[in-house]
Parts: sequence; C-alpha cells; structure tokens
Amino acid sequence: GAGVSQSPSNKVTEKGKDVELRCDPISGHTALYWYRQSLGQGLEFLIYFQGNSAPDKSGLPSDRFSAERTGGSVSTLTIQRTQQEDSAVYLCASSSGGQGAGSPLHFGNGTRLTVT
Amino acid sequence: AQSVAQPEDQVNVAEGNPLTVKCTYSVSGNPYLFWYVQYPNRGLQFLLKYITGDNLVKGSYGFEAEFNKSQTSFHLKKPSALVSDSALYFCAVRPYTGRRALTFGSGTRLQVQP
Repeated sequence: GAGVSQSPSNKVTEKGKDVELRCDPISGHTALYWYRQSLGQGLEFLIYFQGNSAPDKSGLPSDRFSAERTGGSVSTLTIQRTQQEDSAVYLCASSSGGQGAGSPLHFGNGTRLTVT
Repeated sequence: AQSVAQPEDQVNVAEGNPLTVKCTYSVSGNPYLFWYVQYPNRGLQFLLKYITGDNLVKGSYGFEAEFNKSQTSFHLKKPSALVSDSALYFCAVRPYTGRRALTFGSGTRLQVQP
C-alpha cells in the first residue's frame, strides 16, 4: 500500500503568517510522530500520538506549535505566527505499534518550510 | 532523559573496505535501538533494529550492528562498502517502557570513495 504522505512538499511563507502541514499515515498505523530536521542538524522530536492516548507534546518548542490527529488517522501540524527560525523540513512518521515500542517508523518525504 | 551521540559528523572510506559508524546512547532501563539511512533527496529509511537477544543484528543492504550493553554502544558496520552506501545515517533509541518517542542522534555522513 501507499507510504506516509505529507503535503505540501514545499511551503514558503512570510514571517508572522500561520501554516498548516498535513500528514497521511500508513493505513492501520496507530502511532504517528512529527519531527523537525534543520539544515545540517539531526531530527528534533516534536509530538507523538499513540491510539487514543493523550499525545506526548513534550517536544513542541513553543506554544505557537500545535498538532492534532483526527479520527486516529490524518494529522495536522500548525505553526502560528511563523518565525524565520521555524524554517526546516518537517517530517511525519507512523508505525504499527506492533512489538510494543520496537516497531520501526515509516517516514514521509517531509515538508520543507521556508519562512521569509 | 534519553539521548544519542554520534561522535563523527563524517566518515570517509574507500569502496571495498569495511566501514563503521559509531553510536552511543543513554536511556533508563533497557533500550530499543535503531539505525536509519537518508539518501540524498529521499526520505528516511529503516535499516535495522535491536530489541533483545543476539547482540549482532543484521539489516538491509548488508549492514549489521553490534549492541554492547556495557559500553552503551550500537555501532553500524558493513564488511565491504559500496559507493551507493554514501548517505546520512542516524542512530536512534527509546526505552522499553515510559516515553515511546524515538530520540535520534545528529547523524553521520558516510562518504564512500570509488
């Protein structure tokens, strides 16, 4: 079946505008993650959804960032009042939740966000 | 808190030679350990994982990794490097229990010269 799908693939926005990034996980995957990858940097954890449990929001860098996952499937990451330091590639990943925490993550191709 | 260290920003190796990409970790309790690879202009791909059992795990594309609990390491290895192995490699960890989010290292760029 299809892999993790993210849209848009590229987004250029002006400083101060709000943006929404979308993630369609692999069908049936109960876990969904958002990470951020800045140029030349590693992956920074943002937020994690697992089934119907409360999401782990501990990685969100500020209250301008929020995410939701509707119906246990599609997720939207929203960044309000964007700043230039928000420029990065935002990666979404999903996993089946099988084997407990040992199931591998499947990543989308990411959304490259540029704040001008 | 859990963390991963990849001490080398870049590793250079000649084609046909063995390669090692280093990773050490810190986590409470027993770890799940992973290696992912990111080829240019492509998404992150899962390579291999350690859950329990044999300390030497084998993965995709001929890669393997050795779990060493006493040294808290999980180095990635391949007996004979290919030019096509050139990519960015990430090590990641999460604990058996508690927070399930995967923590990644900063990545190591592998350059295999022909």
